[in-house]
Amino acid sequence: QKEVEQDPGPLSVPEGAIVSLNCTYSNSAFQYFMWYRQYSRKGPELLMYTYSSGNKEDGRFTAQVDKSSKYISLFIRDSQPSDSATYLCAMSAGTGGFKTIFGAGTRLFVKA
Amino acid sequence: NAGVMQNPRHLVRRRGQEARLRCSPMKGHSHVYWYRQLPEEGLKFMVYLQKENIIDESGMPKERFSAEFPKEGPSILRIQQVVRGDSAAYFCASSPNGQGTGELFFGEGSRLTVL
Repeated sequence: QKEVEQDPGPLSVPEGAIVSLNCTYSNSAFQYFMWYRQYSRKGPELLMYTYSSGNKEDGRFTAQVDKSSKYISLFIRDSQPSDSATYLCAMSAGTGGFKTIFGAGTRLFVKA
Repeated sequence: NAGVMQNPRHLVRRRGQEARLRCSPMKGHSHVYWYRQLPEEGLKFMVYLQKENIIDESGMPKERFSAEFPKEGPSILRIQQVVRGDSAAYFCASSPNGQGTGELFFGEGSRLTVL
């Protein structure tokens, strides 16, 4: 079993739709939860960052963490064609756990 | 440009040759991470280095791969006697601290093709 599971998609939605991206994980030591966005042929860039359980909102993006279920989500409201990219969830145990573990990434296509 | 700089962006090698990938972290960052990304797959951790020290190399293949981050100059990921399975995108990331909180700043990657 992988430490982090993420549906690779692809996921295709019309412009303006609400997008839901999800990851599950098995390691209860994870404390920090991130979403990275990666455009084709580019490096990943940090999109959202959350510590422990709860919600975090930034503009059209909302990240949710449910540590009891070992489940994290990223919601994108009013999706735009410019949101078309691969979204990677990532997790880290923090101090003492130096590795950040990434999911396989979900490819998202937003159609105009 | 104060971002993470990787070079070369593209590298073609024949089987058995050596590949050297370089990474200059963001200004003020002294922690460097190398990840490998295969087509349609996520990022796989390889190694974490601080200046002159390897902190965690648990993701590095035991043979042919090595990494260093000297006191002066960029971090280097070295792959000896490359094989076709080494073809991938290699990403370097840096962070301002080593607390493992996951905030990483990535370069654009070096894409290695082994013929």
